[in-house]
Amino acid sequence: DAGITQSPRHKVTETGTPVTLRCHQTENHRYMYWYRQDPGHGLRLIHYSYGVKDTDKGEVSDGYSVSRSKTEDFLLTLESATSSQTSVYFCAIRQGLYGYEQYFGPGTRLTVT
Amino acid sequence: EDQVTQSPEALRLQEGESSSLNCSYTVSGLRGLFWYRQDPGKGPEFLFTLYSAGEEKEKERLKATLTKKESFLHITAPKPEDSATYLCAVQEAYSGAGSYQLTFGKGTKLSVIP
Repeated sequence: DAGITQSPRHKVTETGTPVTLRCHQTENHRYMYWYRQDPGHGLRLIHYSYGVKDTDKGEVSDGYSVSRSKTEDFLLTLESATSSQTSVYFCAIRQGLYGYEQYFGPGTRLTVT
Repeated sequence: EDQVTQSPEALRLQEGESSSLNCSYTVSGLRGLFWYRQDPGKGPEFLFTLYSAGEEKEKERLKATLTKKESFLHITAPKPEDSATYLCAVQEAYSGAGSYQLTFGKGTKLSVIP
């Protein structure tokens, strides 16, 4: 257990509304990541952070923004949700100085109607 | 072209019937290859990291091996509780400044029948 929580765990929202997902970690890890998981695509990186206020884009960043104002929280925002953003969203952290593996949170299932 | 390809997509085994899952990759420089297990409705659970060809890691009934082009996850005498989707991911040696990004395959769904 890498001490990662995600909220909300489930959300249904309407097209065009803004949505913010939260990832919270308790162990002061520097690197945090947001992925989405869709059938037929596997896990794809949306955005990542390598420190407070240090973020960058991943493979599928269009339509998403992120913020990290504190070490423990990494927020993913859908400015105007679309049906193509219906997915399961996972947060991950990179743990340790020499290990490259990532540890994942429990996920948020988002449905955009 | 996918950088990480897993096969088969799905595998059904009888309890006790050993088999292997394959992960082939095409990245030019490999920093590490990772195996995860994912149960329905949960986040991926880290299993192994392999860094160089010839390396092997074991955990209970699972053994992961690595060559220059592929990795195998061998499952010996599986039990129903080994049923899950197994994900493979690679990290390129030059994966963007500071990202340590993982590129995932689509997974193999394993079902072990009692």
